[in-house]
Amino acid sequence: DTAVSQTPKYLVTQMGNDKSIKCEQNLGHDTMYWYKQDSKKFLKIMFSYNNKELIINETVPNRFSPKSPDKAHLNLHINSLELGDSAVYFCASSLSSGSGRDEQFFGPGTRLTVL
Amino acid sequence: GDSVTQMEGPVTLSEEAFLTINCTYTATGYPSLFWYVQYPGEGLQLLLKATKADDKGSNKGFEATYRKETTSFHLEKGSVQVSDSAVYFCALSDYNQGGKLIFGQGTELSVKP
Repeated sequence: DTAVSQTPKYLVTQMGNDKSIKCEQNLGHDTMYWYKQDSKKFLKIMFSYNNKELIINETVPNRFSPKSPDKAHLNLHINSLELGDSAVYFCASSLSSGSGRDEQFFGPGTRLTVL
Repeated sequence: GDSVTQMEGPVTLSEEAFLTINCTYTATGYPSLFWYVQYPGEGLQLLLKATKADDKGSNKGFEATYRKETTSFHLEKGSVQVSDSAVYFCALSDYNQGGKLIFGQGTELSVKP
């Protein structure tokens, strides 16, 4: 059973399109995250949700809109895609968020390519 | 703000060689420190962690000690294997920061037989 799953694994699309990435965790965790990994493998937090409530929004363009319908799911919708959005997007989850001590479990990633 | 700096890669070693990957951090509070590993084409997985000063994290022969005086969390392994080839990320997470991980730039390790 996959702990954190993401769909799709690969996404190739044209500039200006709108796309969504879905994430689900079956670990019973309260907190979920989106990270962006650029072409140099640098990872940066985008968003964090705790029990369906947004708690981190790291100055991400408002073309990116996360949505958490329940605490097991965190989706990422991207409007008007730009070339610079090409990256690998990772979803992650953790038991909680307050202490900063909890391990985060990562999904396999979604490689987005904008042409 | 908080930050993490790792030694640059790529690092190429022969099998059974000793590995050190340096990691230093800057933080205003008392962060927890982590090493994550990313195998080719996969997501990250936790390798080890330490949550307070002088703690030693260890797993699969890898070790790292939380050194507050030098703000460091260097990763070591006594004898690397080809299967250890991956990208290694040092990261920190601070109290009451929403759980976010702040990552170093990653160090690619290649182990040759």
